[in-house]
Amino acid sequence: GAVVSQHPSRVICKSGTSVKIECRSLDFQATTMFWYRQFPKQSLMLMATSNEGSKATYEQGVEKDKFLINHASLTLSTLTVTSAHPEDSSFYICSAREGPTKYTEAFFGQGTRLTVV
Amino acid sequence: RKEVEQDPGPFNVPEGATVAFNCTYSNSASQSFFWYRQDCRKEPKLLMSVYSSGNEDGRFTAQLNRASQYISLLIRDSKLSDSATYLCVVTRRGSQGNLIFGKGTKLSVKP
Repeated sequence: GAVVSQHPSRVICKSGTSVKIECRSLDFQATTMFWYRQFPKQSLMLMATSNEGSKATYEQGVEKDKFLINHASLTLSTLTVTSAHPEDSSFYICSAREGPTKYTEAFFGQGTRLTVV
Repeated sequence: RKEVEQDPGPFNVPEGATVAFNCTYSNSASQSFFWYRQDCRKEPKLLMSVYSSGNEDGRFTAQLNRASQYISLLIRDSKLSDSATYLCVVTRRGSQGNLIFGKGTKLSVKP
């Protein structure tokens, strides 16, 4: 299957700092990528949909100024958590679709475990 | 009401047991349906898509009832390696294929 690489896999940062997470599709072009967050024992919650060359679409309740998403190329999307707080500590995971339609399989990155201290 | 709801679990079963997972979705316009599997602290991986006519892949059978907005997954002859969290997933109609996840049901298969 297609490969989606996410980096870093784990990061610890201080409150008030910013953290950037990268999501790359290694062997296919992804026009659309998705960012999710998962708290312990909770479901994956969609944060935003990232479109190459345009602004991301955020889900209700997700602060776009806090979670900056950039999708500069067909193989790279980044999520920057700005002014991080301990409550932002979570598992962040991206996914991308290989094909042009919404019916094709979505592949996930390995996830980033963020701990804000 | 959550968009996708699943049995809270966990399910603890012996090897060889048959296990059934249930899922309901609230948006009648939901378009595509999947079961994903997530191992502890790992990313989700597609287990199988779910089609209106029902589909089977080895020991796994998925069914969809659009009228009841209900999805199921049946695992027969469960193996130790089936231990994981099973996620019911739907896509929203008119979206760009956003996957909406249920909370998941944890399965533990014991020897």
